[in-house]
Amino acid sequence: DAKTTQPPSMDCAEGRAANLPCNHSTISGNEYVYWYRQIHSQGPQYIIHGLKNNETNEMASLIITEDRKSSTLILPHATLRDTAVYYCIVRSLWSGNTGKLIFGQGTTLQVKP
Amino acid sequence: SQTIHQWPATLVQPVGSPLSLECTVEGTSNPNLYWYRQAAGRGLQLLFYSVGIGQISSEVPQNLSASRPQDRQFILSSKKLLLSDSGFYLCAWLRGGETQYFGPGTRLLVL
Repeated sequence: DAKTTQPPSMDCAEGRAANLPCNHSTISGNEYVYWYRQIHSQGPQYIIHGLKNNETNEMASLIITEDRKSSTLILPHATLRDTAVYYCIVRSLWSGNTGKLIFGQGTTLQVKP
Repeated sequence: SQTIHQWPATLVQPVGSPLSLECTVEGTSNPNLYWYRQAAGRGLQLLFYSVGIGQISSEVPQNLSASRPQDRQFILSSKKLLLSDSGFYLCAWLRGGETQYFGPGTRLLVL
């Protein structure tokens, strides 16, 4: 699975959009981009994933560049409860893949009042 | 709906004592199951995964072992705990071949 690069930390004002970037320049054609977050002392929470089209759900939006070498997770109206470590992970969904995730260090997002 | 349980939630054990952590999944059959560990201030590390009963793959050499005695049960064990085994242990399952969902975790402190 391809490696990802994320900034170690970011701040965001409460109520504003939080835009979390991720670089995955070695991503291959069958690899998806996944985002998880981990709030302090809890297990990671799945947020969203996508292949090449932009995706949106009730939690966030995922914007993937046309060349698929980078992506951005957008939390449209950040709240204090969104303070967490956000992980960007690339994973292949081919049938022989065991589904395991390789976590990096992630981005610590601090939402401030 | 599917849910994943882990117990105990917290555990304090002396060095050299045995360990058994349990993970169970409800509402699905034959899921892929995973054990991760997160040491204090560090990222998540995959320890074991299982694609079926009795099938265990180890990702890193260590003092721990895993077993899958039933379809929806995954157990993490040790015969003799080390100080370095302290950490946050997370179980996860794979839904639809696409997305992993994590349990609430077990916080282990070895003294």
